[in-house]
Amino acid sequence: DIVMTQTPLSSPVTLGQPASISCRSSQSLVHSDGNTYLSWLQQRPGQPPRLLIYKISNRFSGVPDRFSGSGAGTDFTLKISRVEAEDVGVYYCMQATQFPQTFGQGTKVEIK
Amino acid sequence: QVQLQQWGAGLLKPSETLSLTCAVYGGSFSGYYWSWIRQPPGKGLEWIGEINHSGSTNYNPSLKSRVTISVDTSKNQFSLKLSSVTAADTAVYYCARGIRRKYCSGGSCYSVHFDYWGQGTLVTVSS
Repeated sequence: DIVMTQTPLSSPVTLGQPASISCRSSQSLVHSDGNTYLSWLQQRPGQPPRLLIYKISNRFSGVPDRFSGSGAGTDFTLKISRVEAEDVGVYYCMQATQFPQTFGQGTKVEIK
Repeated sequence: QVQLQQWGAGLLKPSETLSLTCAVYGGSFSGYYWSWIRQPPGKGLEWIGEINHSGSTNYNPSLKSRVTISVDTSKNQFSLKLSSVTAADTAVYYCARGIRRKYCSGGSCYSVHFDYWGQGTLVTVSS
């Protein structure tokens, strides 16, 4: 299985400041069809996960544009341009280029 | 608006069978994979398996011998059974809608991201 490694595991951020989460895969996530199936999910406290980004950089419906995804190959980044109180939670990357789908261990974003 | 509502027994004894059902409201039932994903307390996410409207399934090899996922298209529902549970199966179990790759066939078809999720069901295994 592809191993997904996220850094940092915890990210204290000041409101209004940017935040960045890194996700690295143990193998390239470029699929033979040319797409890269890397997505990001947000899990607020006590809530189910919520899809933020799919295929590296595509924001899902209703996701604020302060969230952006980037990267290629084995290295990917989720950025929050200006953190708001509602962004507190745990963020997961997930790969689906190779079966079975696997998730990163999660990065906790909290307010300083 | 797509909504997933799930239910099932929350307390099991070791060796029993976990059984959960998820109902889908809004949107089409066909054209998607309907998935189960779990999260042990305080830990990360693990994909369990999925089924499409025609009954084609994909299972995580790590759980395949104990998992059965079924579908009832007349009710827009799908179900999870996990046999011979142990304390290690204690987790919040989520159902989710999976989007498949655009051009796939046979065994290469599976979810590439999950866009709608159920509220989760805590299943505790304890003697």
